Amino acid sequence: GENVEQHPSTLSVQEGDSAVIKCTYSDSASNYFPWYKQELGKRPQLIIDIRSNVGEKKDQRIAVTLNKTAKHFSLHITETQPEDSAVYFCAAATNDYKLSFGAGTTVTVRA
Amino acid sequence: DTAVSQTPKYLVTQMGNDKSIKCEQNLGHDTMYWYKQDSKKFLKIMFSYNNKELIINETVPNRFSPKSPDKAHLNLHINSLELGDSAVYFCASSQAGTGGYGYTFGSGTRLTVV
Repeated sequence: GENVEQHPSTLSVQEGDSAVIKCTYSDSASNYFPWYKQELGKRPQLIIDIRSNVGEKKDQRIAVTLNKTAKHFSLHITETQPEDSAVYFCAAATNDYKLSFGAGTTVTVRA
Repeated sequence: DTAVSQTPKYLVTQMGNDKSIKCEQNLGHDTMYWYKQDSKKFLKIMFSYNNKELIINETVPNRFSPKSPDKAHLNLHINSLELGDSAVYFCASSQAGTGGYGYTFGSGTRLTVV
């Protein structure tokens, strides 16, 4: 089955700096790659996603890049703010009915 | 409100008991899921249903029995609860599987087995 690895497991950044989280996947058939943000005690929420026919997508301060050849994708958060502090999960869709998640990255933005 | 709603939000029970968690979505989605989030925050799929039909059973012990009476509901019944079942259980739904569509998660059920 699909195996998604995510790094780093924890990330501490100064407010205003950028944060980058990287993921790799194993199944070359995966074609959908969403990112979720989970605040403490809350549900995971979709923040951005990318399909395999696109290399990059941006939404305000967040962007995702995908390298299909290398089977890795990354989340970039610019101008970080304290409210960006959360656990971020990458995921990959191996078929139409299963998302495999990475282990999560705890991001702390220091004021 | 359009949403995925789960009940109960918290569940504390003794080992050996049987309990159920209910999930309902009013988003008109075809596919529903159960995920387990352990103490290390790892999200692992348990089951997925498409239009009431079981699609994925991810080697979950048969003490866990999902039931989907219609495509808007997916309930989870757990028999003979064990300490290791303690976790947060999330229900989710998506339109037509995951093919290009993100999940909407419920608020989670924190199950504590004592």
